[in-house]
Formats: sequence, structure tokens, C-alpha cells
Amino acid sequence: DAGVIQSPRHEVTEMGQEVTLRCKPISGHNSLFWYRQTMMRGLELLIYFNNNVPIDDSGMPEDRFSAKMPNASFSTLKIQPSEPRDSAVYFCASSTGTGGSYEQYFGPGTRLTVT
Amino acid sequence: AQSVAQPEDQVNVAEGNPLTVKCTYSVSGNPYLFWYVQYPNRGLQFLLKYITGDNLVKGSYGFEAEFNKSQTSFHLKKPSALVSDSALYFCAVRETPGNNRKLIWGLGTSLAVNP
Repeated sequence: DAGVIQSPRHEVTEMGQEVTLRCKPISGHNSLFWYRQTMMRGLELLIYFNNNVPIDDSGMPEDRFSAKMPNASFSTLKIQPSEPRDSAVYFCASSTGTGGSYEQYFGPGTRLTVT
Repeated sequence: AQSVAQPEDQVNVAEGNPLTVKCTYSVSGNPYLFWYVQYPNRGLQFLLKYITGDNLVKGSYGFEAEFNKSQTSFHLKKPSALVSDSALYFCAVRETPGNNRKLIWGLGTSLAVNP
């Protein structure tokens, strides 16, 4: 399997622009997670989906952030408008959650820089 | 409140010596515990997990972890450290109750193995 795929790997944008991050989970995994990692705040869970349905979005910083999962093989995280404080590495992860297999498998991340 | 603590921000060890990275947790019910490693500019990689059974769990790259219920600990160990083990290590526990897929993460411990 190719693992979790994220695109783009790097994104540099100007403040106020819209940013869309993309994720393809591992085939057969029915849970998908979006995380943000910064030096200051560490690893933060933004939102997670189970069977394409958002279950917990309590970590989404504010209304500028939105996430969708239109089908089992694709999810997006959108920031509109972007701000410099959104600069971070954004990770997508997936898991099966069956048979006690709650471990999550991470993608390589998208490094976002907002200037 | 459910939580994970990694009491050491950084651990230094000489190559060839045994290493231990500490983790303690607080959850209700039986814990599902995980260790991950993150190399620079990479996503988190799953190392090992404890769900039930033998308290000593073996994982990838020669790592193992010991579950201690009375001390609520799950320390990561390796008998002989390699320079290539230098990385950031995260401990996580599944949030309970029910079929919750969320993991509660520690802040990470930076391991430096000196030649």
C-alpha cells in the first residue's frame, strides 16, 4: 500500500489567500484525522472523521478552518482566509479502528508557510 | 482528565548503551497505549502498541515497551541505542470510553544518541 498521501508537500502563500490541503487515506481505513504540529503547541488534533462523517471538530481553531470528506478516499482541509499564525505542518492520518487496531498511520505532512 | 505525560523533553544516551524514554498516562478503564517516532521533516511512524496480554511489547527497529498498570507507565526501551535512533518520540493513549478513535498525545521526547 502507498500509505497516507498528502498534497501539496509544501505550500507558501500570502496572508488572506485560501489554502486547500488534500489527503488520501490508506485504503480500507474508515477513520481519518487532521493534525497540526508547531514548535509552540506541539501536535494538535483538529478534526476527525469516522466513515466520512465528522465526529469531533473541537480542535478546529476558528471558522476560517473547514474540513470535508466527500468519500472514503479523499479529504480536504481548507483555510480561508489564511493568516501567518496558521504556519505549521499539517498531518493527515488514518486508522481502521477494528479489532483493537486503533493505531493511526500518518502521511508525510504539508508544510504551510503564510507570509 | 485523561492525559499523557512524557516527563523528559530530551534524553541523551551514548551509542551502544540502553535507552529508556518515559511515559505515564491517566485514563479511565483499560488503556490502549502507543509509541510513535518522528524523524526530521517526516510524519509520525507507529512503533508499537499495548492493548492487552504480555506487559512487554516488542515493536519495530528493536524497540520494546513495558506496561506497568500499578505505576500507570508505558516506558519505551531499547537494549542498545544507535545513532540513527535519534528522533522525536511520542507516547499516546486512546481516549475512552466507548469506540472513541481519538488518541491523547504526549508532548514528545527528543532522543539524541551520541556516537
